[in-house]
Amino acid sequence: QKEVEQNSGPLSVPEGAIASLNCTYSDRGSQSFFWYRQYSGKSPELIMSIYSNGDKEDGRFTAQLNKASQYVSLLIRDSQPSDSATYLCAVTPNAGGTSYGKLTFGQGTILTVHP
Amino acid sequence: KAGVTQTPRYLIKTRGQQVTLSCSPISGHRSVSWYQQTPGQGLQFLFEYFSETQRNKGNFPGRFSGRQFSNSRSEMNVSTLELGDSALYLCASSRGGEGGPEQYFGPGTRLTVT
Repeated sequence: QKEVEQNSGPLSVPEGAIASLNCTYSDRGSQSFFWYRQYSGKSPELIMSIYSNGDKEDGRFTAQLNKASQYVSLLIRDSQPSDSATYLCAVTPNAGGTSYGKLTFGQGTILTVHP
Repeated sequence: KAGVTQTPRYLIKTRGQQVTLSCSPISGHRSVSWYQQTPGQGLQFLFEYFSETQRNKGNFPGRFSGRQFSNSRSEMNVSTLELGDSALYLCASSRGGEGGPEQYFGPGTRLTVT
């Protein structure tokens, strides 16, 4: 079992729709969870971080965390063609401040938003 | 505030050679992490430096090494290059410790080994 798994893509949604991206992780001690967006040929860009169970909203983005189910998701509302990118889920592997510097990434989900 | 910078941006090397990549973190950030990104393996953690000490290490051979200087700038070295080392090498900086774990990536160094 991979440490961090993302729903297989690619995911295609029409402009204005909600895009739902999912991620599961295997280390029950994981404490920090991140979503990165990576455009083709560019480096990953941090778009959301979440540390507690529940929802965290930032503009059109909502991150959801359920530690009991070891599940984290990202919802993108009112999707735009500019949201077309690869979305990467990342997790710090275990509890403790000294582990924060190590992120374990999922394979990424390619999202295409078509007009 | 300036972002993370990496030099060089592109590099072509021959098998057997060695290479050094450089990373300057965001001002005030003390932690620098290095990652390798390839189409087949995705983003993989190499190592992390915090206050000039290697704090975490990934599962890469000893040919991959790094260091961090007192100004938090970091270098990564790969010796005896292999074809499979061709990849995008990314560094990311964060405040580290109590300051927060969010990592911000630089533009990367694209290494091609021929």
